[in-house]
Amino acid sequence: DQQVKQNSPSLSVQEGRISILNCDYTNSMFDYFLWYKKYPAEGPTFLISISSIKDKNEDGRFTVFLNKSAKHLSLHIVPSQPGDSAVYFCAGGGNRDDKIIFGKGTRLHILP
Amino acid sequence: DAGITQSPRHKVTETGTPVTLRCHQTENHRYMYWYRQDPGHGLRLIHYSYGVKDTDKGEVSDGYSVSRSKTEDFLLTLESATSSQTSVYFCAIKERPPPYTDTQYFGPGTRLTVL
Repeated sequence: DQQVKQNSPSLSVQEGRISILNCDYTNSMFDYFLWYKKYPAEGPTFLISISSIKDKNEDGRFTVFLNKSAKHLSLHIVPSQPGDSAVYFCAGGGNRDDKIIFGKGTRLHILP
Repeated sequence: DAGITQSPRHKVTETGTPVTLRCHQTENHRYMYWYRQDPGHGLRLIHYSYGVKDTDKGEVSDGYSVSRSKTEDFLLTLESATSSQTSVYFCAIKERPPPYTDTQYFGPGTRLTVL
């Protein structure tokens, strides 16, 4: 059972426009969610997190929105830049759990 | 940078041979994790440790063992490597930065090829 789902394997967005990456989850016990970015031949790097008691968290060009009733979160990148081309992973975790569960990732291509 | 190094960074081995991957951290983190990343599967947890000599299994632990004899080192061993264990392996540590959500930080990875 996939607890965290990223249903779009890839996404292409024009440079300067908004990129929206989506993530759905089934585990209502998650207390927080995280987004990671991964370049080829590098480890994933942490981008932004959100607590389940919030509906929005913003950090510079990155904003994560959480809709608990829909069990859905999204990462908005505005404006999109060439360096944003990477694989993005969504993950969920619980405060009483040592582990986090990752989605399969979405590859974002920023087009010139 | 969470002070995580992995060695080796690349390894090619043959089926049936034992392989040990090392994760080293310099910041005294209690929790350490081993993941594998494969196309179409994302990041899957193999084993993790919550202290010296304290380890537990993850989602894909079959064929792998781990050891943590000191805080800074977490070893992943493939007792008898198989081609299905060809993958990129990532080590991670856990912190709780502001706003105090558990966050994992990853090492650079080890690319393992089993022929």
